Amino acid sequence: DSGVTQTPKHLITATGQRVTLRCSPRSGDLSVYWYQQSLDQGLQFLIQYYNGEERAKGNILERFSAQQFPDLHSELNLSSLELGDSALYFCASSVGVSADTQYFGPGTRLTVL
Amino acid sequence: AQTVTQSQPEMSVQEAETVTLSCTYDTSESDYYLFWYKQPPSRQMILVIRQEAYKQQNATENRFSVNFQKAAKSFSLKISDSQLGDAAMYFCAYRSAAILDSNYQLIWGAGTKLIIKP
Repeated sequence: DSGVTQTPKHLITATGQRVTLRCSPRSGDLSVYWYQQSLDQGLQFLIQYYNGEERAKGNILERFSAQQFPDLHSELNLSSLELGDSALYFCASSVGVSADTQYFGPGTRLTVL
Repeated sequence: AQTVTQSQPEMSVQEAETVTLSCTYDTSESDYYLFWYKQPPSRQMILVIRQEAYKQQNATENRFSVNFQKAAKSFSLKISDSQLGDAAMYFCAYRSAAILDSNYQLIWGAGTKLIIKP
């Protein structure tokens, strides 16, 4: 158990809908990262937050947005969902903005029908 | 831009034997971190081992060790005494250590599926 929690574990929805994925980092970690893993592929970095502020953006679609709240939990919002958005979404956390090791949550499996 | 390449989509090894997974990367930076993560069927991403580029000594964690060749930009993972529980996807990942670089994302290889034969 890495100490990073993600909810829900599974999510099934329809095209065009909007969903919210939630992540709670390890106690004491200020940085949160979001990654997307499509079927049998490596991970793609989406976005990073540090202590409530956005620090870096990767290949995140405009239909996706995220935020980190004062209690340091983070939410990833996915809207106007398409079939291709079906994937495993991971949250990871680290101590600081430059801390080298990221610890991963169990992931949320999103299925868009 | 940095890239990570894992050229072996799948590897198999007999239980109790030793197997080596390959990873190469491309970067112009001199300071960085390299990682191996394991993803079992549960899909949890588990850190196996990490290596700091400025350290010449190869990292070791129990049955897992790396062969880090900085000049060759190679970072292979050796698993000794393979166990059934080692069966998983193994991902190699790179992260910049540049202080002024605010992007600390992990850059991932495509993964190697490791099969353990009983």
